[in-house]
Amino acid sequence: GQQLNQSPQSMFIQEGEDVSMNCTSSSIFNTWLWYKQDPGEGPVLLIALYKAGELTSNGRLTAQFGITRKDSFLNISASIPSDVGIYFCAGQSYAGNMLTFGGGTRLMVKP
Amino acid sequence: EAQVTQNPRYLITVTGKKLTVTCSQNMNHEYMSWYRQDPGLGLRQIYYSMNVEVTDKGDVPEGYKVSRKEKRNFPLILESPSPNQTSLYFCASSRGQGGIQENYTFGSGTRLTVV
Repeated sequence: GQQLNQSPQSMFIQEGEDVSMNCTSSSIFNTWLWYKQDPGEGPVLLIALYKAGELTSNGRLTAQFGITRKDSFLNISASIPSDVGIYFCAGQSYAGNMLTFGGGTRLMVKP
Repeated sequence: EAQVTQNPRYLITVTGKKLTVTCSQNMNHEYMSWYRQDPGLGLRQIYYSMNVEVTDKGDVPEGYKVSRKEKRNFPLILESPSPNQTSLYFCASSRGQGGIQENYTFGSGTRLTVV
């Protein structure tokens, strides 16, 4: 299947710092999604991106759909302890019936 | 409350003993799917269903079966579990037949250990 490379795999930061993570693909996607997974729970959608070049914010979170359609990034500004969790990117191609997930970025925030 | 419910949440079983993990959604969603989550590999799709009696393989279907006899239920069946199927499993559902996934809702997960 398609491959999504997500980096970094983990981050340990100080509260208040900004965070950036990204995903790259060998294939084109027409939709990029970013999810957060809290411990013991399923992933929850944070941001959805539908157009190349699109930049979308959700509170302290900002995500962009890369112009080549093969990459996306997620930024978190002024991190807080409740940002702790695993963040996943996911892409959907024009073929449409499946989502491909990245390997996840585990974020740890030191108060 | 709109939700996807998986049972059980935790299961320890022995190699070769058939098991079923149930998944039920109360949102009248057409699309349902099963994923397994392994460290560093993200979520990989096992099987999906676009509607009743319509199922198809995902990226890692070997060793698994599914059925979709009713719209709300999508059980995952392991006929002869093996230790490499030890993983965290998620069921998810979505309105529509795999189009925009904005309303893709995940269950809380089933942690399976096969010894």
